[in-house]
Amino acid sequence: DAGVTQSPTHLIKTRGQHVTLRCSPISGHKSVSWYQQVLGQGPQFIFQYYEKEERGRGNFPDRFSARQFPNYSSELNVNALLLGDSALYLCASSYIMGSSYEQYFGPGTRLTVT
Amino acid sequence: AQSVTQLDSQVPVFEEAPVELRCNYSSSVSVYLFWYVQYPNQGLQLLLKYLSGSTLVKGINGFEAEFNKSQTSFHLRKPSVHISDTAEYFCAVRLNTGGFKTIFGAGTRLFVKA
Repeated sequence: DAGVTQSPTHLIKTRGQHVTLRCSPISGHKSVSWYQQVLGQGPQFIFQYYEKEERGRGNFPDRFSARQFPNYSSELNVNALLLGDSALYLCASSYIMGSSYEQYFGPGTRLTVT
Repeated sequence: AQSVTQLDSQVPVFEEAPVELRCNYSSSVSVYLFWYVQYPNQGLQLLLKYLSGSTLVKGINGFEAEFNKSQTSFHLRKPSVHISDTAEYFCAVRLNTGGFKTIFGAGTRLFVKA
């Protein structure tokens, strides 16, 4: 079975531009989470979506938004890019079973803002 | 609020030696605990998790961790490391109240020397 897939693998943008990152969860998984991992740091939670609804949001500005589609894939959008948005963006999927569940991470999208 | 502190940013160790990577957490409510490994240019892979029950948890690749509630610690151990264990290791906590937000530590770089 295919794991979590993310596209593109790498991306270079300039300040002020907009970017869209995409994630396809493992087949059967209904929840997708997004994380930002700045070089040398641990991942930071951005969003969680379950059944197409936002279920959690981290401490990120409104320039960050996301959505989940009927097929459970997801997009992360970032407007008005800043140099500080340069990071590895990780997507994780999970299948909710009670209150204990495991997240499976994709390989990430490396975003560089110049 | 929850927080995770990984006490060592880097741990150099010789091949076949034992290793311990330390993790302390802070939370006013019950949490689930995780250890992830990240190889260069890859996403995160779950090593092991503590949800409830036995405080000694065994994971993949010969790793194990012990949950200590009184010391709020979840240290990761391996009795004999291999060169291939060289990677970044992240400790993480998640509320067990149904929320999805996962808090990661800053990571510990394990470097195994021949």
